[in-house]
Amino acid sequence: AQSVTQLDSHVSVSEGTPVLLRCNYSSSYSPSLFWYVQHPNKGLQLLLKYTSAATLVKGINGFEAEFKKSETSFHLTKPSAHMSDAAEYFCVVSAVYGNKLVFGAGTILRVKS
Amino acid sequence: DAGVTQSPTHLIKTRGQQVTLRCSPKSGHDTVSWYQQALGQGPQFIFQYYEEEERQRGNFPDRFSGHQFPNYSSELNVNALLLGDSALYLCASSLWGGTYEQYFGPGTRLTVT
Repeated sequence: AQSVTQLDSHVSVSEGTPVLLRCNYSSSYSPSLFWYVQHPNKGLQLLLKYTSAATLVKGINGFEAEFKKSETSFHLTKPSAHMSDAAEYFCVVSAVYGNKLVFGAGTILRVKS
Repeated sequence: DAGVTQSPTHLIKTRGQQVTLRCSPKSGHDTVSWYQQALGQGPQFIFQYYEEEERQRGNFPDRFSGHQFPNYSSELNVNALLLGDSALYLCASSLWGGTYEQYFGPGTRLTVT
C-alpha cells in the first residue's frame, strides 16, 4: 500500500525567502506523485505532478519538486515566497490501478511580511 | 469550460438523517472520485465511479453509497448520519486509467448536529 508522510505540519517563512516543504513516500512500485494546494475555504488545486519522466518537476506559481528514489522523497520548493503562497499544501501519491489518491496530513505554510 | 461543480455548498443535518451530495465533472472527464476531509486532516478516499459502477472503495462503511449517471455526474449518499460525518466532502473528476491528474470541486461542507 502507498503512503505519504509530510514531515512538517507547519512551516513559517518570510516573504522573499525560500520555501521548502518536505514529503517522504512509501510505495511498492514506481509511484505517481503530486502536490496540491488548498487555500482557506477553497477546493484543491494541482501544483505539479511526477509520473516517471523528468525527476525535477516544474509547477505553477514558481513551485518545483524533485523526485529522489534513493531517498523516497518528493520535496516541494520555491525560491522566493509570496504572501499569496500562504495556504495548506498536500503531498499525494497515486495508486497504479484506478488512480485513487492517498493524501498526506498537510503542511500549513505561513508567509510573514 | 466549467470545472468540477458541487452542490450544495453547505448543509446542516441532524444525527440519523440522510443526505445526498451532487457533483458534475469537468467537461470531457468520465471518472468521479469522492473524498472526505475532516477538519485539520488530509482528504480520505471514499470511492470512485466509472461507467456507472463503483470501481474502488476506501475504508468507509456501507452507510456511504454513491451513483454515477450516464452524463458522468455523480451523487454521494450518506445514511444514518453521525456527528463524525461532519466534514468537507470533495468531488474530483479525471479520465479513467493511467495516472491522469484529478480536478477537484470546491466541496460541500456538511455539519451534523
